[in-house]
Amino acid sequence: AQSVTQPDIHITVSEGASLELRCNYSYGATPYLFWYVQSPGQGLQLLLKYFSGDTLVQGIKGFEAEFKRSQSSFNLRKPSVHWSDAAEYFCAVGPITGGGNKLTFGTGTQLKVEL
Amino acid sequence: SQTIHQWPATLVQPVGSPLSLECTVEGTSNPNLYWYRQAAGRGLQLLFYSVGIGQISSEVPQNLSASRPQDRQFILSSKKLLLSDSGFYLCAWSVQVGTEAFFGQGTRLTVV
Repeated sequence: AQSVTQPDIHITVSEGASLELRCNYSYGATPYLFWYVQSPGQGLQLLLKYFSGDTLVQGIKGFEAEFKRSQSSFNLRKPSVHWSDAAEYFCAVGPITGGGNKLTFGTGTQLKVEL
Repeated sequence: SQTIHQWPATLVQPVGSPLSLECTVEGTSNPNLYWYRQAAGRGLQLLFYSVGIGQISSEVPQNLSASRPQDRQFILSSKKLLLSDSGFYLCAWSVQVGTEAFFGQGTRLTVV
């Protein structure tokens, strides 16, 4: 079965500092990988996705993520964090075939930005 | 463009009362539809998914049920709510296998 681990429950960074949120997955092959962001009381918004090809993917709001097959990781990065980036971030994996396209989510990382 | 509507946004219900949450998708045909529940610190738990009208798969045995009476309508129900049913419920859709899911704005359910 597929699974996702986000080892950091909370992260605090200063505005303008760089950010890296960790994500590790377990899957029988290379899955599809996603990062979502959620503001309080809201739904989830897709930041970026990896299906194949270039292992460094660019997303919205200045975020990027790098797929590393050898480490089963898909870490999210941003060079300079803005106060508006404070939110909860979820990594997810999806099957490449069958299964009703059920995404499996990590438990999330809550990002706090200090001004 | 595709949009997803989920309502109500918030709901307070007494224990033992029924529940009906509705979700509709516009701008696409035959989507995969999903109900997730989110509890603090526990990420998103997939409750039900549907690949077509009348086709419902349950992921977790529970007090809830789902139905898909129309192609773009997905309903989450309960006959008698429990306190443990409180949470944030999210509806989502996707086009096909291997693509991202798009989420509604969620329903905050509090069972009292």
